[in-house]
Amino acid sequence: QVQLQESGLGLVKPSQTLSLTCTVSGGSINSGAYYWTWIRQPPGKGLEWIGYISYSGNTYYNPSLKSRVTMSVDTSKNQFSLKLSSVTAADTAVYYCARDGDGYNLVDYWGQGTLVTVSS
Amino acid sequence: QSALTQPPSASGSPGQSVTISCTGTSSDVGGYDHVSWYQQHPGKAPKLMIYEVSKRPSGVPDRFSGSKSGNTASLTVSGLQAEDEADYYCSSYAGSTVIFGGGTKLTVL
Repeated sequence: QVQLQESGLGLVKPSQTLSLTCTVSGGSINSGAYYWTWIRQPPGKGLEWIGYISYSGNTYYNPSLKSRVTMSVDTSKNQFSLKLSSVTAADTAVYYCARDGDGYNLVDYWGQGTLVTVSS
Repeated sequence: QSALTQPPSASGSPGQSVTISCTGTSSDVGGYDHVSWYQQHPGKAPKLMIYEVSKRPSGVPDRFSGSKSGNTASLTVSGLQAEDEADYYCSSYAGSTVIFGGGTKLTVL
């Protein structure tokens, strides 16, 4: 059973960079045609797809966030990461890491989510 | 890209059926058979209920079904049960990106 766990700072100052890591267990990050995904949910609001990365490092980002997002993968640690620069209060959200089973919107495994608050 | 359009709320009594709509465009819902539906209970991560418009992952009851016509996808929950009360989100592949709907709060009366 694949499990995902987010980690990173829960409080980030405005204009700084948000950094999160997702550790995958129960399966190898570089097996299969999986896409390792980040999705966020502002408090009381809906879901927003941030983007995903393949095990080989190919990235696809939400056009509205593309200029501020960087994703990377570390196969040796079975982890993938998210960096979001120049954050504002609007970036306050629960951030989920997840697995897209085929890269066509089949998100079958999710982490529990981690709240990141942007505040001075 | 704009969010897919879902009704903010839906409701039904136990045992009844309820259908939630999800409207997009020819660039997302209408252009691909890669529409998914997720169920989210308060404080929990979303759970995949339907993928590729109408397929159910293992373990999802067959009371949940999906369909699509043109630019609108639908999720139907038959034989409503108390545990079906949750938020439901549709999403669609849109060519190297994914778009979510705003979510529908399903209340079991």
